[in-house]
Amino acid sequence: EVQLVESGGGLVQPGRSLRLSCAASGFTFHNYAMHWVRQAPGKGLEWVSGIIWNSGYMVYADSVKGRFTISRDNAKNSLYLQMNSLRAEDTALYYCAKDRGQGSSGLLGLGWFESWGQGTLVTVSS
Amino acid sequence: DIQMTQSPSSLSASVGDRVTITCRASQTISNYLNWYQQKPGKAPKLLIYAASSLQSGVPSRFSGSGSGTDFTLTVSSLQPEDFATYYCQQSDSTPYTFGQGTKLEIK
Repeated sequence: EVQLVESGGGLVQPGRSLRLSCAASGFTFHNYAMHWVRQAPGKGLEWVSGIIWNSGYMVYADSVKGRFTISRDNAKNSLYLQMNSLRAEDTALYYCAKDRGQGSSGLLGLGWFESWGQGTLVTVSS
Repeated sequence: DIQMTQSPSSLSASVGDRVTITCRASQTISNYLNWYQQKPGKAPKLLIYAASSLQSGVPSRFSGSGSGTDFTLTVSSLQPEDFATYYCQQSDSTPYTFGQGTKLEIK
């Protein structure tokens, strides 16, 4: 059974940093592209970033470009999101999601999210 | 960026009803359209991918259709567990974008 478990969320002041982690199990992690998707309280879903199987290609939403960095460690079956210069509008539940595909240079997987974690809440407030 | 617009934003229906939710893309996306179901306090769940392919384990009362810019999700006979919020998402190009959601409520 696929399991994705996010951690690292919490309350942080504007301008500070936070690193989210996603521990994956139940599938061959290094064979799949992975993504972060967020959901502000009471709002809809927003794709944040994705990374292909070998970390050779990453893409970011404009809203986080230059501030967030996605990475993965295939030896540890883990996905990460380094979030710097946090803003109040980054407050959301952050989900880790597994792509159906592997991805390649210029192609971020198949683009549909077949498994999701339960999310970790990030609150940016002074 | 490709904008995704769902209609209606909310919908009241009864158990046993047939319901249809529509999703329109701001530009053609071929069949790169996916549907998710989200229940309160839970993560989204993939229902349909590539416009009309049923995800493994999803009941056959769910179906999707469409191509280009116009797509539909149909539930043939609503069950109590189907009352939730539904989102479409395009996977034609990054940034991947979602519709605003359709909340399906019990009448």
